[in-house]
Amino acid sequence: NAGVTQTPKFQVLKTGQSMTLQCAQDMNHNSMYWYRQDPGMGLRLIYYSASEGTTDKGEVPNGYNVSRLNKREFSLRLESAAPSQTSVYFCASSEADRVGEKLFFGSGTQLSVL
Amino acid sequence: AQSVTQPDIHITVSEGASLELRCNYSYGATPYLFWYVQSPGQGLQLLLKYFSGDTLVQGIKGFEAEFKRSQSSFNLRKPSVHWSDAAEYFCAVGALFSGGYNKLIFGAGTRLAVHP
Repeated sequence: NAGVTQTPKFQVLKTGQSMTLQCAQDMNHNSMYWYRQDPGMGLRLIYYSASEGTTDKGEVPNGYNVSRLNKREFSLRLESAAPSQTSVYFCASSEADRVGEKLFFGSGTQLSVL
Repeated sequence: AQSVTQPDIHITVSEGASLELRCNYSYGATPYLFWYVQSPGQGLQLLLKYFSGDTLVQGIKGFEAEFKRSQSSFNLRKPSVHWSDAAEYFCAVGALFSGGYNKLIFGAGTRLAVHP
């Protein structure tokens, strides 16, 4: 029962470097999400993909780009990392982008930008 | 604007004691309410959710939550805590964001420690 798989689990970057966080789900879900978790702030939505072929900005999209590669995969890219992007990143999926849908989360990527 | 407040950042209880985690929300319409749990090094897992109907909702792992519209609260309870319940707990409200998408608004979380 893999569910939602994220890679890598840990990453350290220098300011200005780029990287891509990978996410894949095996539940045939239509909707996928990227959140960031910061101490004392809960989770905030970065980008989401309601269905294959669509992506949209969430609450805190600046500095990020996403690609919905196919129904299974949704990647998050940092083009030029900044210390403010130090955070724990979670990918999630749901059957559909409806209010009240249960989200299934990956185990997270801890990113440090020096 | 929609918001979720979890007043307690840290709570410590003894194993076997009862537990109540507080959650208050601000939302203009009938909310969709959730409690998620995050164990160390893991992603979030849904404990329970409320949409309508009976205001006392049962979830997994022996947890329950009660929706009180008059108090804008959705507190999580467990009658007897186990050491394995040590985790961080997030209350969330589901809403339609202004951009038209489903959005979960999370509280800042309550970290629960359990003493043997």
